[in-house]
Amino acid sequence: DTAVSQTPKYLVTQMGNDKSIKCEQNLGHDTMYWYKQDSKKFLKIMFSYNNKELIINETVPNRFSPKSPDKAHLNLHINSLELGDSAVYFCASSQAVESSPLHFGNGTRLTVT
Amino acid sequence: AQKVTQAQTEISVVEKEDVTLDCVYETRDTTYYLFWYKQPPSGELVFLIRRNSFDEQNEISGRYSWNFQKSTSSFNFTITASQVVDSAVYFCALSEIGYSTLTFGKGTMLLVSP
Repeated sequence: DTAVSQTPKYLVTQMGNDKSIKCEQNLGHDTMYWYKQDSKKFLKIMFSYNNKELIINETVPNRFSPKSPDKAHLNLHINSLELGDSAVYFCASSQAVESSPLHFGNGTRLTVT
Repeated sequence: AQKVTQAQTEISVVEKEDVTLDCVYETRDTTYYLFWYKQPPSGELVFLIRRNSFDEQNEISGRYSWNFQKSTSSFNFTITASQVVDSAVYFCALSEIGYSTLTFGKGTMLLVSP
């Protein structure tokens, strides 16, 4: 029943490891996003995909690689994790129009030790 | 470039007080959309309202109301008779024509005490 679901909810890992976060939406939306929320609660766009194609890549280190196997899924793979990657990562989806509100997943809290 | 400013970092009120959260935006476009989201302590982001730049009518939904003033580039949010359950971080956001991506303000944390 969940509209945008992302897993896992919590992810604790050590520096240097590689990890993935999965996201799926069942709203039939064309566009999906990854946002990062830092410790000060600031939400910043990382990536935007429209119909499996990368639309926006906001100055994100290339250790972060999104993958969209189909328009209902947008996964985020992170290589060589660093302490500064600790944050909450939100997946979202919307229709591909500027008036469409984003529907967010519940977030994945990543802690890098 | 677009920008959203929420100057109030944190607001504390006592239950039943009215509270207004300020949002000021910058954009070069004449067509744009403004949004408010709520993030309760549980962490999810909940969509509250969308307003387009051509509709300056104020909107009321229960205890919530929104005041959009193009002349001052502001889209303020008022909660009437606040309740403890209103405690959350509230985000104002903007999207411009041609882009569905939202630019968020830094959020205002609202603490409502009994």
